[in-house]
Amino acid sequence: GQNIDQPTEMTATEGAIVQINCTYQTSGFNGLFWYQQHAGEAPTFLSYNVLDGLEEKGRFSSFLSRSKGYSYLLLKELQMKDSASYLCAVAVGGYQKVTFGTGTKLQVIP
Amino acid sequence: SQTIHQWPATLVQPVGSPLSLECTVEGTSNPNLYWYRQAAGRGLQLLFYSVGIGQISSEVPQNLSASRPQDRQFILSSKKLLLSDSGFYLCAWSSGEAEAFFGQGTRLTVV
Repeated sequence: GQNIDQPTEMTATEGAIVQINCTYQTSGFNGLFWYQQHAGEAPTFLSYNVLDGLEEKGRFSSFLSRSKGYSYLLLKELQMKDSASYLCAVAVGGYQKVTFGTGTKLQVIP
Repeated sequence: SQTIHQWPATLVQPVGSPLSLECTVEGTSNPNLYWYRQAAGRGLQLLFYSVGIGQISSEVPQNLSASRPQDRQFILSSKKLLLSDSGFYLCAWSSGEAEAFFGQGTRLTVV
């Protein structure tokens, strides 16, 4: 099976940088996704990593190390609207199966 | 463009009653389809996934079942709901080597 771990909660200050870590143990790994989910809403896609390294997309970046089973999501220039849960998800089995971690609830404070 | 429809948005059902949640996808063919459940303040739990018509993989033993009668239709069902079935149910699709797109979800309350 898959085991995905993320911190439960984090707090950061508006304008700062925050890094949300995700570790996973799985077989048949194909790729890793990060999603953002505001309370009561469906998750929305943020980033996707297949190979080792850093993927940058505006204020958000995501890093993957396949050998270490480790990823992080980096959020820069934090805004109040970034307060949300951030979900790490792993695709296995030829992308047929996508399993999510429990998510990290980020609170951005003034 | 691709869209995913999921209904109803909210549902209140008594214990022991049946359930049917429907999800349809437009603008793509042969998608991978998923049903997830999210309990209050928790992550997404994968319930079922399907890679083709009539092909259903179940992730956890439970009171629920899923069916895929058509290529772009995915149905989540129960014959008799339990209190523990309450939660936020999300349908999603993906084309394969790409991200999954979610429907707006159904908030189910079993009373």
